[in-house]
Amino acid sequence: DIQLTQSPSSLSASVGDRVTITCRASQSVTTYLNWYQKKPGKAPKFLIYGASSLRSGVPSRFSGGGAGTDFTLTITSLQPEDIATYYCQQSYAALWTFGQGTKIEI
Amino acid sequence: EVQLVESGGNLVQPGRSLRLLCAASGFTFNDHAMHWVRQAPGKGLEWVSGIDWNSGTEQYADSVKGRFTISRDNGKSSLFLQMENLRNDDTAFYYCVRDMWAMVTRGVSFDYWGQGTLVTVSS
Repeated sequence: DIQLTQSPSSLSASVGDRVTITCRASQSVTTYLNWYQKKPGKAPKFLIYGASSLRSGVPSRFSGGGAGTDFTLTITSLQPEDIATYYCQQSYAALWTFGQGTKIEI
Repeated sequence: EVQLVESGGNLVQPGRSLRLLCAASGFTFNDHAMHWVRQAPGKGLEWVSGIDWNSGTEQYADSVKGRFTISRDNGKSSLFLQMENLRNDDTAFYYCVRDMWAMVTRGVSFDYWGQGTLVTVSS
């Protein structure tokens, strides 16, 4: 199975900050990498697919990048509603694995 | 509006069985593969199982293979998860998830999620 390692596991930031989360795969997944946002008590929300394609309706302050084994999720200007845990997920090969999550706090 | 509503979660003893149901609406159900993803208390997301639009392919995580069975009824826009021989570490919220695509293959992307149903396995 392909393992995904996110860093950091948690971070503290201020409103307006630029925040970057990293996801590293144990082998190349080319650009088959998705990102999700999870808030407590809420269903996860799909943000980015194909490493860098923003899902329709997701604010443009979110962006994704990378290829191969190293990927990033960037929030250019953190908003209070962005407080959540973020997960990467590889869609290159079954079984479809998630990273362990990165919790963003203010 | 896409809606996925799970039901069937409950408190159950180890070794017992449980069947989860997901009622889908607001989209053409048989245009999409479907999945179950779970989250144990205080833990991250774990993909459990997926099924093609026409039930041609089923996939399972190693942790549930041989114990869980995914199925669907396209005529009733419903997804099921039959869980047998439940263990304590199966305790989690179980989410019904729509795939952007019709086949469970490279590129699976979980674009809509239900609110989840809680399965607690405890004696």
